Amino acid sequence: DQQVKQNSPSLSVQEGRISILNCDYTNSMFDYFLWYKKYPAEGPTFLISISSIKDKNEDGRFTVFLNKSAKHLSLHIVPSQPGDSAVYFCAASARNSGGSNYKLTFGKGTLLTVNP
Amino acid sequence: KAGVTQTPRYLIKTRGQQVTLSCSPISGHRSVSWYQQTPGQGLQFLFEYFSETQRNKGNFPGRFSGRQFSNSRSEMNVSTLELGDSALYLCASSSSTTGIYTEAFFGQGTRLTVV
Repeated sequence: DQQVKQNSPSLSVQEGRISILNCDYTNSMFDYFLWYKKYPAEGPTFLISISSIKDKNEDGRFTVFLNKSAKHLSLHIVPSQPGDSAVYFCAASARNSGGSNYKLTFGKGTLLTVNP
Repeated sequence: KAGVTQTPRYLIKTRGQQVTLSCSPISGHRSVSWYQQTPGQGLQFLFEYFSETQRNKGNFPGRFSGRQFSNSRSEMNVSTLELGDSALYLCASSSSTTGIYTEAFFGQGTRLTVV
């Protein structure tokens, strides 16, 4: 049962254009969402996050949008750069009965290729 | 400030053996989590430790175990290795005392190959 889904295994974009990476989730208890970027042979690097009380969070070229009714979030990268080429993971977290979040549930990732 | 350090980086073991992986979190971080990454399943949560206590555990068999020491360093152990245990094992540390509600910093991982 995959609670976080990234349905596009790969995405190819031209340098300077917008990259849009999508993520869907099924668990309505998720209340915090994160995006990670991963290069080969390295651990994931945190990019940006959003709380379920917001619908948008922006950090430089990266913007995350959350649509709770559709259980959907997306990461927009504008403008895309060749150095953005990596695997992008969507992750979600839910509070346990003690009110804390102890684990992340990850999607399977989307390989973004930005062509010069 | 040093990042999360995982040792060893690469490991080859035979089916039936056991293995211990080590993780040193960022100085001052007391929360350490372990994840398994495989091509088919993506990143899956194994367990999380805080102040030497396991606070949450994923859906893995009992062959997977872990512990955390008083200096926050953590180890995970896999006994009776199976071919399907071949994966990248990632450790993440966090400064959050209430779990991973803020960003978690990942190490480079240990690539385990079971033959």
